[in-house]
Amino acid sequence: KAGVTQTPRYLIKTRGQQVTLSCSPISGHRSVSWYQQTPGQGLQFLFEYFSETQRNKGNFPGRFSGRQFSNSRSEMNVSTLELGDSALYLCASSLAPDTHYGYTFGSGTRLTVV
Amino acid sequence: AQSVTQLDSQVPVFEEAPVELRCNYSSSVSVYLFWYVQYPNQGLQLLLKYLSGSTLVKGINGFEAEFNKSQTSFHLRKPSVHISDTAEYFCAVSDQTGANNLFFGTGTRLTVIP
Repeated sequence: KAGVTQTPRYLIKTRGQQVTLSCSPISGHRSVSWYQQTPGQGLQFLFEYFSETQRNKGNFPGRFSGRQFSNSRSEMNVSTLELGDSALYLCASSLAPDTHYGYTFGSGTRLTVV
Repeated sequence: AQSVTQLDSQVPVFEEAPVELRCNYSSSVSVYLFWYVQYPNQGLQLLLKYLSGSTLVKGINGFEAEFNKSQTSFHLRKPSVHISDTAEYFCAVSDQTGANNLFFGTGTRLTVIP
């Protein structure tokens, strides 16, 4: 079956712009989480959605937001981009909102802010 | 909150030699433990997970890990590595309360030398 699909794979944006990243989970998976990966901070949890509701949020400013649609697809948005937002953004899906089910990660979207 | 320490940022090892990647965690509650692998320009792939029961956990690609509660460790081992094992390895922890977010270590870069 198809894995977790993230689009686009690469993105270059200018400071001050906004960006939307998309994630399609594995069929049947209803929980979607987002992580930011940078060389300096490593992997950090952004937020998690289940049944179109945000269940959990990491320690990121309000410029980072997300949503989940009824088909479990998710988008995350970053407004007023800063150079420090350059990172690999990873989406992960699981059957339900409990880590013991295990995550399946997508290949990520690499965002470069110039 | 939980935290994870991966003691070695880089581990070089010769092909067919054994390897151990170290991971220690900190938590005031019971936890689930995970090891993920990341190949260049890809997302994270789950190697194995400890939820409960036997402290020795076997995963994919010949890897195994042992949960040691008294030492709060979850070290990853493989008796004989291959060139294809060259990758970044991440240890992660989550609590058992149902929160669906992982806390990751900073990663260990395993380089297998021919």
